[in-house]
Amino acid sequence: GAGVSQSPSNKVTEKGKDVELRCDPISGHTALYWYRQSLGQGLEFLIYFQGNSAPDKSGLPSDRFSAERTGGSVSTLTIQRTQQEDSAVYLCASSLSSGSYEQYFGPGTRLTVT
Amino acid sequence: GESVGLHLPTLSVQEGDNSIINCAYSNSASDYFIWYKQESGKGPQFIIDIRSNMDKRQGQRVTVLLNKTVKHLSLQIAATQPGDSAVYFCADGGQGGKLIFGQGTELSVKP
Repeated sequence: GAGVSQSPSNKVTEKGKDVELRCDPISGHTALYWYRQSLGQGLEFLIYFQGNSAPDKSGLPSDRFSAERTGGSVSTLTIQRTQQEDSAVYLCASSLSSGSYEQYFGPGTRLTVT
Repeated sequence: GESVGLHLPTLSVQEGDNSIINCAYSNSASDYFIWYKQESGKGPQFIIDIRSNMDKRQGQRVTVLLNKTVKHLSLQIAATQPGDSAVYFCADGGQGGKLIFGQGTELSVKP
């Protein structure tokens, strides 16, 4: 079946601009996660959604970052007033529930801020 | 805060040999660990997991060992193949659903 999809696959933006990154989780998965991977580094947790509960935003690095999940499915990660240090690959994952730890990852969006 | 780390950033092995990738963690309360494989340009792919009530778990050609005394886990890959070349991450999965990843070990398999 279809896996997690993300769009765009690559995004180049100028410093100061806003960007939106999209994630389509696996159908039926109630938990959705966003991670960030800087060059040559491990993944850094950003935010996660579980059903209709309030999201866990504890990993967001600044108030320029926000995310929403509409209708319990598609999620959008928004970065306002992008900075060069925001350049990274942004990965989305989903799982059946937050208690089901096997997370399935999408291919990521490579963001480059010039 | 909690951290997860890998001992070596790179590992090079000959095709057919066994590979061992190591990982240390700091949170003694962690009760669940996962190994992921990430190929270039792709998202991480689940390999195998282990819970803290186990010392060893085997999959197809892979074995994970957990030593809670020294807070160390390892991933063993038997008869390593060129297709195993990738970056391998250990992750602490016991943080309310979110994963805390180590830095990764890049495995290169020489034919």
